[in-house]
Amino acid sequence: GQQVMQIPQYQHVQEGEDFTTYCNSSTTLSNIQWYKQRPGGHPVFLIQLVKSGEVKKQKRLTFQFGEAKKNSSLHITATQTTDVGTYFCAGTTNDYKLSFGAGTTVTVRA
Amino acid sequence: NAGVTQTPKFRILKIGQSMTLQCTQDMNHNYMYWYRQDPGMGLKLIYYSVGAGITDKGEVPNGYNVSRSTTEDFPLRLELAAPSQTSVYFCASSYLRDRGGQPQHFGDGTRLSIL
Repeated sequence: GQQVMQIPQYQHVQEGEDFTTYCNSSTTLSNIQWYKQRPGGHPVFLIQLVKSGEVKKQKRLTFQFGEAKKNSSLHITATQTTDVGTYFCAGTTNDYKLSFGAGTTVTVRA
Repeated sequence: NAGVTQTPKFRILKIGQSMTLQCTQDMNHNYMYWYRQDPGMGLKLIYYSVGAGITDKGEVPNGYNVSRSTTEDFPLRLELAAPSQTSVYFCASSYLRDRGGQPQHFGDGTRLSIL
């Protein structure tokens, strides 16, 4: 079945630094979504990428979808304490169902 | 607009007991989902529904049952609780999917422990 792998599993970042989390699929995706889950909270939708090579920005967050539509990345610049949480990518190949990666849990050192 | 509402928020069950996790949404979404999230893991799809009267299995359906009698409600039933079902359960919903897919809206979750 479809598998979505995410690396790294944990990311410890100094406040103000940049970091990137990566998402890879074993199959071609029709779209990819990113979610953020704060500690003790529920996943919250951030963005969706549909087109090959697509790049979208949300303030300090930059999302990319690979040319082959098998991988994606999330890059955060100038990390802040509000960025703490777990970031999930989720890919769709079949109707209705998302396949979630295991997530990257981000902690920030002030 | 409440979005997706899950009850209860917390529950402790004994092995072999049964219970129903409730989920209701007020966004008139066609699609609804049940996920479980184990510590340090992603979300695993248990069951999903594309509309009232239609349900289908996800990745990890064993030990669970669902029904979808209305657009709003999608309860998840555990018949014989087992320790392996200790987890956080999330219900989610989304609009009818177009080619690009639609974002899922999640409830706050039910934290279930089975002892």
